[in-house]
Amino acid sequence: DAGVTQSPTHLIKTRGQQVTLRCSPKSGHDTVSWYQQALGQGPQFIFQYYEEEERQRGNFPDRFSGHQFPNYSSELNVNALLLGDSALYLCASSNRQGRTNGYTFGSGTRLTVV
Amino acid sequence: EDQVTQSPEALRLQEGESSSLNCSYTVSGLRGLFWYRQDPGKGPEFLFTLYSAGEEKEKERLKATLTKKESFLHITAPKPEDSATYLCAVQALTGANSKLTFGKGITLSVRP
Repeated sequence: DAGVTQSPTHLIKTRGQQVTLRCSPKSGHDTVSWYQQALGQGPQFIFQYYEEEERQRGNFPDRFSGHQFPNYSSELNVNALLLGDSALYLCASSNRQGRTNGYTFGSGTRLTVV
Repeated sequence: EDQVTQSPEALRLQEGESSSLNCSYTVSGLRGLFWYRQDPGKGPEFLFTLYSAGEEKEKERLKATLTKKESFLHITAPKPEDSATYLCAVQALTGANSKLTFGKGITLSVRP
């Protein structure tokens, strides 16, 4: 049973560029959340998607946007990249109807902005 | 605003030396408190969920406890393979599947 799959694993981009990160949730999960984890910090909530709509959003600028597809997979887009966007981007999936028993996280995408 | 504070920031133990990691929290109604383990360059790995004060859960050398203000992760006779960063997170009652608010984590090193 595959867990949460994220791609790519590593990415290097230049300031001002745009990036798209991808996530496939665990089988049976319908909700996808994205988190940003800077070095030495805990993960920070970016937003959550359910039924192809953004349901919750953390304190991140509009440069961060997302999408969820009918098969529950999701994309995170970041425009006009800044050096400060360098971080590990984590995708977490869950089942909205079940009692939360731990979101399942992927291994993340390490984004480096130079 | 929900807040999670973990202490100490780092902990170095000798193999077999038991200790506890602390997680203090403030939340507007607790749905659940989560403990995760994270190895370098990897995503967090789920350990426990605690839902109400007084609840305890165990898994191998780990035991998590919960009060109304804090949670402890007790590590009994740790081994070098327990070395990792331990993250604590809270989920508020505001809506189904609401976001997790994480602490900064505690980096545990266990020397053989």
